[in-house]
Amino acid sequence: EVQLVESGGGLVQPGGSLRLSCAASGFTFNTYWMSWVRQAPGKGLEWVANIKQDASEIYYGDSVKGRFTISRDNAKNSLYLQMNSLRAEDTAVYYCARIRWELGFWYFDLWGRGTLVTVSS
Amino acid sequence: DIQMTQSPSSLSASVGDRVTITCRASQSISNYLNWYQKKPGKAPKVLIFAASSLHSGVPSRFSGSGSGTDFTLTISSLQFEDFATYYCQQSHSTPFTFGPGTKVDVK
Repeated sequence: EVQLVESGGGLVQPGGSLRLSCAASGFTFNTYWMSWVRQAPGKGLEWVANIKQDASEIYYGDSVKGRFTISRDNAKNSLYLQMNSLRAEDTAVYYCARIRWELGFWYFDLWGRGTLVTVSS
Repeated sequence: DIQMTQSPSSLSASVGDRVTITCRASQSISNYLNWYQKKPGKAPKVLIFAASSLHSGVPSRFSGSGSGTDFTLTISSLQFEDFATYYCQQSHSTPFTFGPGTKVDVK
């Protein structure tokens, strides 16, 4: 089955760190760009970061730049998000998403079910 | 950064209604515009990519149009399973910004 499964969410204090993981299965992971997207409670979707197949290109949203690091391990079919210096406003469900490139256009075509990160003292 | 706006922010409709949602970009994005459906507790699903291309498996009652800065998502005959929040998203350049969403609920 083609799927993405996130893990690693939980409760963390402000200023703390957390590492999210996303396990991919059912497709050739190393041929896709991957991404993290989040949704704060009662809010809309916010793009967090993208990573190229070989990690040679990485992009971050302004709100997480310098604090979060996206990475991948193609041998393990896994995507990661290292989150440092966490703030209350980082509280959200974090989704792992696959980026599809079709006819010259990018879009998120496969999503995980998400993992909840709560930043609170 | 490219800013995305949507209107309306919410709407109430009945099964069988024709529903139209508008998305506007702060600068031209050609047709690098995608639409997603999001239900509470569920993962988002892509409906439309490249402004007007229907993603595989998406019912034909969904359609998209537009280019440049103004885009539209249309549901030709709303079904029960379509009550959800809809987001547009530009993929012209990073950051890949989303619109604030349009919630479609039961009238």
